[in-house]
Amino acid sequence: GAVVSQHPSWVICKSGTSVKIECRSLDFQATTMFWYRQFPKQSLMLMATSNEGSKATYEQGVEKDKFLINHASLTLSTLTVTSAHPEDSSFYICSTDRGYGYTFGSGTRLTVV
Amino acid sequence: GIQVEQSPPDLILQEGANSTLRCNFSDSVNNLQWFHQNPWGQLINLFYIPSGTKQNGRLSATTVATERYSLLYISSSQTTDSGVYFCAVVGNQFYFGTGTSLTVIP
Repeated sequence: GAVVSQHPSWVICKSGTSVKIECRSLDFQATTMFWYRQFPKQSLMLMATSNEGSKATYEQGVEKDKFLINHASLTLSTLTVTSAHPEDSSFYICSTDRGYGYTFGSGTRLTVV
Repeated sequence: GIQVEQSPPDLILQEGANSTLRCNFSDSVNNLQWFHQNPWGQLINLFYIPSGTKQNGRLSATTVATERYSLLYISSSQTTDSGVYFCAVVGNQFYFGTGTSLTVIP
């Protein structure tokens, strides 16, 4: 089946620093990647949609200058959390549609201290 | 957007018991999937089921698209079934439900 590899699995960073999260599609070309955020005990909320070779589309309330998304190739999409603050601590997960269902990365647990 | 409500929000089962989880959605959808999120956060796809019934071992799912609901059946539950179960539907984007947190006790 389709595999999306997400790294890192977890990261702890200092407030004010930036963190990059990568999602790679290992056995197919992902023209679109979806990025979600999940706070504890809550459901997944779509943050943005990245499209290969074009600008990402952000959901209402998500700061595009804070959450930088790059989808430079058909196999790699990245999310960079810039100038991280403790309130950015969350579980971030990427996903793509294979046409017969969505498949997800393993997620990244970000803790900002 | 599409509203996706799941019930019950929390469920505690004795090992070996059966259960039914429900997912209601507010509009017509192109696709529906059930996921199990394990304690490490990983989302495991259980079913891709826009309509009809599917079975996979102890799990089965039924979606009645015309009535805008889907059911996930878990039979002979095991402790490894613990976690959060999400349904998600595709309208103009992928909408996740509110989730059911399942705890199976030995």
